[in-house]
Amino acid sequence: TQLLEQSPQFLSIQEGENLTVYCNSSSVFSSLQWYRQEPGEGPVLLVTVVTGGEVKKLKRLTFQFGDARKDSSLHITAAQPGDTGLYLCAGDTGVDSNYQLIWGAGTKLIIKP
Amino acid sequence: DTAVSQTPKYLVTQMGNDKSIKCEQNLGHDTMYWYKQDSKKFLKIMFSYNNKELIINETVPNRFSPKSPDKAHLNLHINSLELGDSAVYFCASSQDPWTGKETQYFGPGTRLLVL
Repeated sequence: TQLLEQSPQFLSIQEGENLTVYCNSSSVFSSLQWYRQEPGEGPVLLVTVVTGGEVKKLKRLTFQFGDARKDSSLHITAAQPGDTGLYLCAGDTGVDSNYQLIWGAGTKLIIKP
Repeated sequence: DTAVSQTPKYLVTQMGNDKSIKCEQNLGHDTMYWYKQDSKKFLKIMFSYNNKELIINETVPNRFSPKSPDKAHLNLHINSLELGDSAVYFCASSQDPWTGKETQYFGPGTRLLVL
């Protein structure tokens, strides 16, 4: 069974602090996506990483795909209350005949003003 | 303009009832999905349809039956509802399931509570 483990499960920090959340697997993914889900809403895609070692930046958010394409991290600089939400990673198995995204359970992030 | 819409947003019902959730996407996508998100926030795929054809059918009780009247709609009918069916059900769509780089667009979710 392919699993994506996210850590930490829960993180509560003060505004202005930096943080990193992780998404790890023993499986290799052809790509990996990060989503943010706010209460009462569906997940919204933040970024897709494809190449091993790839780094993508989205304002204060930095996403990295591991060299072996088994793990990824999300780093937020100077966190703001608007960053609060559930951050989900999802890996693409790359199986042609039965496409599936494998989902992590998420990191619930709370940024306190 | 809502890209992926679901109705109802909330559904509270008694055990044993039959209910349906509707999903529509106006993105012109060929593929639609149903996911179940449990209380621990795991998103688990249930079904996927591509051009009205079932392509993914995970281990889901046969009380759950998806129906795709056209590629813009994917409805989910649930028979004989059980307490364990309580969850948030998300519909999603993407252009093509087979490129592996797809962005899935999610609906707002349907919060189902079975009493």
